[in-house]
Amino acid sequence: QSVLTQPPSVSAAPGQKVTISCSGRSSNIENNYVSWYQQFPGTAPKLLIYDNNKRPSGIPDRFSGSKSGTSATLGITGLQTGDEADYYCGTWDSSLSTSVFGTGTKVTVL
Amino acid sequence: EVQLVQSGAEVKKPGESLKISCKASGYDFPIYWIAWVRQMPGKGLECMGIIYPGDSDTRYSPSFQGQVTISAARSTRTAYLQWSSLKASDTAMYYCARPTRDRTSFFDYWGQGTLVTVSS
Repeated sequence: QSVLTQPPSVSAAPGQKVTISCSGRSSNIENNYVSWYQQFPGTAPKLLIYDNNKRPSGIPDRFSGSKSGTSATLGITGLQTGDEADYYCGTWDSSLSTSVFGTGTKVTVL
Repeated sequence: EVQLVQSGAEVKKPGESLKISCKASGYDFPIYWIAWVRQMPGKGLECMGIIYPGDSDTRYSPSFQGQVTISAARSTRTAYLQWSSLKASDTAMYYCARPTRDRTSFFDYWGQGTLVTVSS
């Protein structure tokens, strides 16, 4: 049911940078705020980025978000082994009248 | 401290009914929406529906309309998700989550999840 498309996986060496794309349409990403969530196996998702590019308290500035048109991007710099997790984008879909999430991206630290 | 504490794991047979819960604390329960989010094994997140405990205004995502019932009890600060007749395809982890502003907003707090297994 995911209406937002993400790459299944991205990987990089420790200390490097990865970016995760999230592609949607005008009814969702283009006209609504985007958020990003981090999920470790067996645990609940955790808010990482909200309102396209804002970080909740306690989230390091290695994590950043941006949006342009119908796409959004999550960036992780200074990659650490502890960043290995699944990452999901999310937003409101005005046509479906529900929150929608991305397909999810697994980040692997080589 | 805001907390959403969900009921424990359930193992059910196809055709059985089930009601799982999400108990909220640390904030003014009636004035925040609460959503239910499904995560099937190895899959992504899907918003099932959302309820406003203040007046029980409930909205279902198109894929889940008629499949589940969402409710809330202000007296116990608890939201519920229920099925009248479970199917094997209902096997999943279910999370409750609180949007921070209104029902279109991001989810800033999540429950720990309730694993529902439906198997004959």
